[in-house]
Amino acid sequence: DAGVTQSPTHLIKTRGQHVTLRCSPISGHKSVSWYQQVLGQGPQFIFQYYEKEERGRGNFPDRFSARQFPNYSSELNVNALLLGDSALYLCASSLEGAFSGANVLTFGAGSRLTVL
Amino acid sequence: KQEVTQIPAALSVPEGENLVLNCSFTDSAIYNLQWFRQDPGKGLTSLLLIQSSQREQTSGRLNASLDKSSGRSTLYIAASQPGDSATYLCAVDPATSGTYKYIFGTGTRLKVLA
Repeated sequence: DAGVTQSPTHLIKTRGQHVTLRCSPISGHKSVSWYQQVLGQGPQFIFQYYEKEERGRGNFPDRFSARQFPNYSSELNVNALLLGDSALYLCASSLEGAFSGANVLTFGAGSRLTVL
Repeated sequence: KQEVTQIPAALSVPEGENLVLNCSFTDSAIYNLQWFRQDPGKGLTSLLLIQSSQREQTSGRLNASLDKSSGRSTLYIAASQPGDSATYLCAVDPATSGTYKYIFGTGTRLKVLA
């Protein structure tokens, strides 16, 4: 079975542009979460979607938005890019949307965004 | 507000040593705690998950313990190997979130010397 796949793997944008990052969860997983990892820091929670509905939002500005499609894949959109948005964006999938025992988050390899 | 701290920030050891990585969290109300491994420029690989009702979990040469009351977890790596070189992150799932809103520490960068 394929793991969590993310695209693109690397991209370079300039300030003010818009970016769309994509994530395909593990087959059968209904929940997708997005995290931002700035160099040298731990990942920070951005969004969680479960069954196409937003279940949680981290402390990020409205320039960040996301959605989940009927096939459970997800997109993260960032508008009006700032230099500080440069980071590794990680997608994680899980079977369910909240604590239900020993559900493990499985992460993709990430999308490395550089804003110039 | 839940905060997660990992000590040390970096660690360099000779091959074969047993070592302990530490993780502390400020709010004991958690669903579970997970340890992850991250290789440079890569995503996260889950190593061990400890549910709030458990005290420890083991996988091969790895053993993770959890003491909720003191807000601490340790990851023990036995007989370290150069292939263990990576950044190790711990993350807690706050019981108040209702989602998989993990709070991560900043990680411990481990280098095992051959």
